Amino acid sequence: DIQMTQSPSSLSASVGDRVTITCQASQDISNYLNWYQQKPGKAPKLLIFDASNLEIGVPSRFSGSGSGTDFTFTISSLQPEDIATYYCQQYANLPTFGQGTRLEIK
Amino acid sequence: QVQLQESGPGLVKPSETLSLTCTVSGYSISSGYYWGWIRQPPGKGLEWIGSLYHSGSTYYNPSLKSRVTISVDTSKNQFSLRLSSVTAADTAVYYCASTKFGYSYAEPFDYWGQGTLVTVSS
Repeated sequence: DIQMTQSPSSLSASVGDRVTITCQASQDISNYLNWYQQKPGKAPKLLIFDASNLEIGVPSRFSGSGSGTDFTFTISSLQPEDIATYYCQQYANLPTFGQGTRLEIK
Repeated sequence: QVQLQESGPGLVKPSETLSLTCTVSGYSISSGYYWGWIRQPPGKGLEWIGSLYHSGSTYYNPSLKSRVTISVDTSKNQFSLRLSSVTAADTAVYYCASTKFGYSYAEPFDYWGQGTLVTVSS
């Protein structure tokens, strides 16, 4: 299985801050990397697919980059409604998820 | 707009079989895409269980393969999950979901059900 290592596991930031989450794959996954947002009690929501493509309807403050083994997810200006847990997911092979990053407001 | 809804018992006894159904509306399963199950133990991360194509082809997580069966009933526009010999470690919220492009079982999941909590306990 391809292992996904996500960091940090939790993050506290202020409204308006730039927030960055990283995800590292245990082997080359090209750009087969997605990012999801999960709010408490809700299903995950696809935000970014293929490493850098924004899903329709997702605000442009969310972005993703990377290829190969190293990927980055960025919120350019944190909003209160962005409080959630974020997961990366690779699909170069059997789908696997990172362990998640819990984002809180400082 | 595709909508998915999980249904099934919320409590299953150890060693028994967990059975869930996902009812799809707004799209015909037989028209394409891949349909999957993902689970999330309380307070933990996400685990892909398996997926199927409308033709009946199935793909399973190797860690669960010996206990999992996913099947489809196109006449009811539903697909189902059976997980045998459950233990407390199988307690989780179970989600059904569909893939974005329809070319492979291993694609982004863009539509999800709301999830259903299944507790394994005697």
